[in-house]
Amino acid sequence: SAVISQKPSRDICQRGTSLTIQCQVDSQVTMMFWYRQQPGQSLTLIATANQGSEATYESGFVIDKFPISRPNLTFSTLTVSNMSPEDSSIYLCSVGYRAKVDEQFFGPGTRLTVL
Amino acid sequence: KNQVEQSPQSLIILEGKNCTLQCNYTVSPFSNLRWYKQDTGRGPVSLTIMTFSENTKSNGRYTATLDADTKQSSLHITASQLSDSASYICVVSLPSGGSYIPTFGRGTSLIVHP
Repeated sequence: SAVISQKPSRDICQRGTSLTIQCQVDSQVTMMFWYRQQPGQSLTLIATANQGSEATYESGFVIDKFPISRPNLTFSTLTVSNMSPEDSSIYLCSVGYRAKVDEQFFGPGTRLTVL
Repeated sequence: KNQVEQSPQSLIILEGKNCTLQCNYTVSPFSNLRWYKQDTGRGPVSLTIMTFSENTKSNGRYTATLDADTKQSSLHITASQLSDSASYICVVSLPSGGSYIPTFGRGTSLIVHP
């Protein structure tokens, strides 16, 4: 299994500011994803981070609000821009190996509170 | 569009007791069905993964079963421990091109009391 770390683990931010979340994996992975988990809700896919190219966003999520980078096969960042209290959530990095029965591994998450 | 519904929404049991969590899905066949355990403040950790052709998979005290006819999966926890208190999430993945599309249930919140 992959060992995934996220920074920061939690943060409290002011409305209108931006926060960049980092995701580091201990091995090269085929796929990296970013999810949002709002209180009492299931995980919602924000986007698939593509190495060396623009991320693929799901319906309801746009690059201006959630810019994503993936400069190599082990690292990705998600920025939550111009934050509002509605962005308060847990943000999870996830990775997958195309060859391994479609299994996904999740990072520990970043708990974001926007005041 | 695939939908994954889990029940109950929450469950409280006494330590040492068994319990069963349910997951109903609408689309089949699927690529795989997974159960995750998510401790408070942590990311989900995989418990079991089953392909469409499997009907049971065990991981210690956790046993997942699959009934393709009723489109239902169950996660059975035996001899519960305090550390089993967590959210349990059912995920059903559909094949899509060379990849897959996972649909997540909302989870069942389990509390184990001493």
